[in-house]
Amino acid sequence: GAGVSQSPSNKVTEKGKDVELRCDPISGHTALYWYRQRLGQGLEFLIYFQGNSAPDKSGLPSDRFSAERTGESVSTLTIQRTQQEDSAVYLCASSLVESSTDTQYFGPGTRLTVL
Amino acid sequence: QKEVEQNSGPLSVPEGAIASLNCTYSDRVSQSFFWYRQYSGKSPELIMSIYSNGDKEDGRFTAQLNKASQYVSLLIRDSQPSDSATYLCAGSNQAGTALIFGKGTTLSVSS
Repeated sequence: GAGVSQSPSNKVTEKGKDVELRCDPISGHTALYWYRQRLGQGLEFLIYFQGNSAPDKSGLPSDRFSAERTGESVSTLTIQRTQQEDSAVYLCASSLVESSTDTQYFGPGTRLTVL
Repeated sequence: QKEVEQNSGPLSVPEGAIASLNCTYSDRVSQSFFWYRQYSGKSPELIMSIYSNGDKEDGRFTAQLNKASQYVSLLIRDSQPSDSATYLCAGSNQAGTALIFGKGTTLSVSS
């Protein structure tokens, strides 16, 4: 079937605005992950969903960041009052088994630019 | 010690040579490891996973895991210009809720 999809592919916003990033995982994958990749850096973990629950939110950098998942499918990452340091590529991944020991498949990412 | 460390490179090898990419990890990383390849502007794609001590081969790629030394490596035989990319080493955290990534090693294969 189709891979992980994300939208929008690019988002330019002004400092202080809110943004929503969407992830559609591979059908049937129960685990969903959000990561952030700043320019020239590795991936930073943000949040992990097991079904619709988020047992690990430890990577969310501040309370301006939140995420939800519905129907054990689509997930939305929301960043409120965006700051310039939020500029990065936000990557979503999913895996069949609810453990990060299982292979994660990544979406194409959303490139967020905060002016 | 950082949780997963890689030499950022760039690592430059001529076409046809063996490229050796290395990664070390801390006690906070459990012993499930993944090598991802990332082309510029693209998302990571899985190359190899390795869970047990020793070597695992898949085509031109061989992953090696040494738990005693907390060391993971990826060997690429007969390197091709199309292998030029950033290679990300990742390990699972102890809780099994996230991958911990190194910053990546940039490989350049010249023809």
